[in-house]
Amino acid sequence: QVQLVESGGGVVQPGRSLRLSCAASGFDFSTYGMHWVRQAPGKGLEWVAVISYGGGNIYYGDSVKGRFTISRDNSKNTLYLQMNSLRVEDTAVYYCAKKMGGDWTACPDFWGQGTLVIVPS
Amino acid sequence: QSVLTQPPSASGTPGQRVTISCSGSSSNIGSNTVNWYQQLPGTAPKLLLYSNNQRPSGVPDRFSGSKSGTSASLAISGLQSEDEADYYCAAWDDSLNGPGFGGGTKLTVL
Repeated sequence: QVQLVESGGGVVQPGRSLRLSCAASGFDFSTYGMHWVRQAPGKGLEWVAVISYGGGNIYYGDSVKGRFTISRDNSKNTLYLQMNSLRVEDTAVYYCAKKMGGDWTACPDFWGQGTLVIVPS
Repeated sequence: QSVLTQPPSASGTPGQRVTISCSGSSSNIGSNTVNWYQQLPGTAPKLLLYSNNQRPSGVPDRFSGSKSGTSASLAISGLQSEDEADYYCAAWDDSLNGPGFGGGTKLTVL
């Protein structure tokens, strides 16, 4: 069955960096695009970034553009999110999510359990 | 604020039918299909409906969806206590080049 396991979250000071990882299994990782989506405490879902199956197409949400970098290593079935210049407002649970199907406009279908990032004020 | 607009809360009694609306624009719902997600407390979102009204395997047929123009709705019939959760709509946004989400609707079963 599909499994997505995020790791790398923790407490990080404002302005510092953190890298999240998402280990995928149970499906052919190299043929699916992937998303990162975050959820601030008590708030709704906010899309962060998307990467195509081969890594050639990448887009970011406006709030993270220029600070976050999404990447993938298909040989390791792993998705990454490099987060630089972290801000208090980046505090959230970060979910990796698999795209539903091969259509570029596909929203997520399966989600990991998330990893919590805290940037204290 | 969220890309799509949902009411913050909804409620119903067991057995009742409730609907949750989701409003968007021509760049998202108007030109792409809508997904709905259910998030139980303390858990990750789970796909509830895709392509406006399709149920993944395992989702009861009490859950149904529809879309018209730039709006969509989720209907839950025969409401049960285990349906108490947050519900989110989503649709690809051509301007964002990513999925836009609604702000979420907290469903309370009275």
